[in-house]
Amino acid sequence: QKEVEQNSGPLSVPEGAIASLNCTYSDRVSQSFFWYRQYSGKSPELIMSIYSNGDKEDGRFTAQLNKASQYVSLLIRDSQPSDSATYLCAVSGMDSSYKLIFGSGTRLLVRP
Amino acid sequence: SAVISQKPSRDICQRGTSLTIQCQVDSQVTMMFWYRQQPGQSLTLIATANQGSEATYESGFVIDKFPISRPNLTFSTLTVSNMSPEDSSIYLCSVEVGTSGSYNEQFFGPGTRLTVL
Repeated sequence: QKEVEQNSGPLSVPEGAIASLNCTYSDRVSQSFFWYRQYSGKSPELIMSIYSNGDKEDGRFTAQLNKASQYVSLLIRDSQPSDSATYLCAVSGMDSSYKLIFGSGTRLLVRP
Repeated sequence: SAVISQKPSRDICQRGTSLTIQCQVDSQVTMMFWYRQQPGQSLTLIATANQGSEATYESGFVIDKFPISRPNLTFSTLTVSNMSPEDSSIYLCSVEVGTSGSYNEQFFGPGTRLTVL
């Protein structure tokens, strides 16, 4: 069974620090990787997608992908209290390119 | 991305009844999906809503319980039938949008919070 694993947290960081969120996946043929942010009571919001090994930066967010280690991470620089949310890692693979498998999410708490 | 709306945003229903949730997108999309997010849990795909044909259901979900319609490329409905308290959940529709790099991304509607008494 294909799985996506995340530490449930909470991950607590002080304001201004770098928050590092990690995700591992079991399906070696996975091709597309996504990070969603979900505020309490709201629906998931796509914040990063990554498809190739290496880093992808977008503003304060950097996604890192290592397919050999089956590992994807999200770094949030200069963390703000407004970043406090649950971050969901999602993976899709070659067998059904559209089918997303979600991790259980990591709750991030940024302390003022 | 796409602008997605869902109706109702929330509802409280009695067990044994059915509720139909609507999902509307502001542009034509090929792929639409229905997910469930139970309290404190992550998202689970219920089915893919196919335009012009029956929905494709994931393991553990059946058409009699979750009938889906997809009459056109901008609209879909999910019905939760013969509800029980275990169906209390957030139901989300999503759409897949192509990116310039030929990969696809999924965007979610605001969700429907269902409580079954």
